[in-house]
Order: sequence, then structure tokens, then C-alpha cells
Amino acid sequence: GAVVSQHPSRVICKSGTSVKIECRSLDFQATTMFWYRQFPKQSLMLMATSNEGSKATYEQGVEKDKFLINHASLTLSTLTVTSAHPEDSSFYICSGISGGGRTDTQYFGPGTRLTVL
Amino acid sequence: RKEVEQDPGPFNVPEGATVAFNCTYSNSASQSFFWYRQDCRKEPKLLMSVYSSGNEDGRFTAQLNRASQYISLLIRDSKLSDSATYLCVVRGGAGNMLTFGGGTRLMVKP
Repeated sequence: GAVVSQHPSRVICKSGTSVKIECRSLDFQATTMFWYRQFPKQSLMLMATSNEGSKATYEQGVEKDKFLINHASLTLSTLTVTSAHPEDSSFYICSGISGGGRTDTQYFGPGTRLTVL
Repeated sequence: RKEVEQDPGPFNVPEGATVAFNCTYSNSASQSFFWYRQDCRKEPKLLMSVYSSGNEDGRFTAQLNRASQYISLLIRDSKLSDSATYLCVVRGGAGNMLTFGGGTRLMVKP
């Protein structure tokens, strides 16, 4: 299957700092990328959907000014957690699809574990 | 009510056992159905798609009942390496998004 990478895989930061997470599709062009968040022992929750060159669409309850998403190219999307707080500590996973049809497979990155002290 | 519901488990079974997981979904307009596997601290990985006609992949059999909005996964001859969380995933609705169930944890013991 297609490969999606995320960087960094793990980050620990102080409260109030901003953290940028990169998501890259390595062998396909991701017209759409999704960002998920997963708290311990909970399911993946979709945070936002981004299409290349467009503004991201955020799910209800996700603050767009706090979680900045940029999808400037077909192979790169970034999520910036601004002014991170301990409650933002979570596992952040991106995924990408090419096309956008009903049968397109969604490929997941390996995730980024964020710990805010 | 959650859109996709699963028994969180854990299911503790001995090697060689047969185990079945169930899942229900609330959106009757859902179009595609999947089982994903997620290991601890890893990303989810597609295990198999699920069709109304039922489909089998080795020791794994998945079934979809659209009328009951019910999805199942059967694992035969469980291996230690099958220990993981199994996520029931549904695609459909506005934006054709994937919606994840909370997962069912399986622990296969020697």
C-alpha cells in the first residue's frame, strides 16, 4: 500500500508553546488529507479535512485557530497546535487519499504522540 | 448514541480459539464498511473490507447485514500475533468520511 510519513513521531513540549506536525504522502498525491486525534483507550476522532490548496474543514468542537492546518501541496500537510496545553496531549494521526471516490483507500501515517507538560 | 458502536472488551482467548466481534452503525446511508487493526501506540491498518455477501481472508471472515446495520468479524485459530484492537469503520454521509468505532481489544494468551 501507499506510504504516509509523519514527523516528529514523538514530541514533548512545555505548556504555551506551539508544535508543528508534518504529514507527507511519499508515493502518491494526496488530494485530501485528514487529521485525527486519539486519546488513550478512545477511538480516532476526526479533527479536520483538508484539500490541497483550500482551507481545511473542521469538525464541530475543534478550534480552527488553535489547530492550524496547511495543505499547500499534494504531498504535504501540516498541523500546528498553537499554545499547547496539557489537555492537548494526544496521539495525532494523519491520513491521505488520492482521488476522492467512494472506493479510495485511506492511508494512515504512523502518528505523532504529543505530550504537553 | 455513537455512530459506530463496539464492545470494548477485552476479549481474552487462548491460542487456537475462535472469536467473534460485532459492531452496529447508526447511519443507514453508510456505503462502505471496514475492519481495521490497531496495535498499541501505532496507527490503524486496514484488515479487510466488508461486503453484504460476506468475505473471507485466511482466518478472518467479515459479514455485513445492512438491514440490521450490523457488521461482524470472525477470527479462527487465534494466534498470539492477533492481539490488538480491532476497529469497526464505516464510510458514508456528508463528505464521505470514515467514522471509527471505539475498538474491541483482543488478547490471545498462550
